[in-house]
Amino acid sequence: ETGVTQSPTHLIKTRGQQVTLRCSSQSGHNTVSWYQQALGQGPQFIFQYYREEENGRGNFPPRFSGLQFPNYSSELNVNALELDDSALYLCASSLDPLAGGQETQYFGPGTRLLVL
Amino acid sequence: QKEVEQDPGPLSVPEGAIVSLNCTYSNSAFQYFMWYRQYSRKGPELLMYTYSSGNKEDGRFTAQVDKSSKYISLFIRDSQPSDSATYLCAMTDPTHDYKLSFGAGTTVTVRA
Repeated sequence: ETGVTQSPTHLIKTRGQQVTLRCSSQSGHNTVSWYQQALGQGPQFIFQYYREEENGRGNFPPRFSGLQFPNYSSELNVNALELDDSALYLCASSLDPLAGGQETQYFGPGTRLLVL
Repeated sequence: QKEVEQDPGPLSVPEGAIVSLNCTYSNSAFQYFMWYRQYSRKGPELLMYTYSSGNKEDGRFTAQVDKSSKYISLFIRDSQPSDSATYLCAMTDPTHDYKLSFGAGTTVTVRA
């Protein structure tokens, strides 16, 4: 069974730039969620994608956007980067919501983003 | 006030001790409760999942939920140096079960 994978592992950007982070879900999972984890804090929910559509969103501005592809992989895009966007970005995958169990989420290793 | 409050720690215990970790929450709609372990510079790893009040045991780990007090705990028996990590509580409600709400985490060090 293949776990959740993310790329890249680390990234350095400057303020105002745009960034794209990628995630492949665990085999058998078709739902992908994204979280932001600032240093010393717990992860904060950004949004979830199911069937290539946004299925729920946290308290993040529209410059955070996402995509899900037919193979269930996903991208997180952040425009107009700000210094406070520096964080570990985590992707989590889970089972089909209609099958139940989507509250059980399995996380990838994360992408560490530094905005200068 | 945050929805989920977690004892901040850090905790440092000798090998073999019992580790006790706690979270409180304010949203009475929360029905599903998890504990994740996160090693430094890694993603969170699911340790325990429960949806009812009471105790659930898995090896050296026991998760306890008291919905009437809005309080959850994780106990680690016979702690090992390999248990040194940050422990995160997480929870969700059936209406918004796509979204996990996390505590800030407690960092535990088990001294050999």
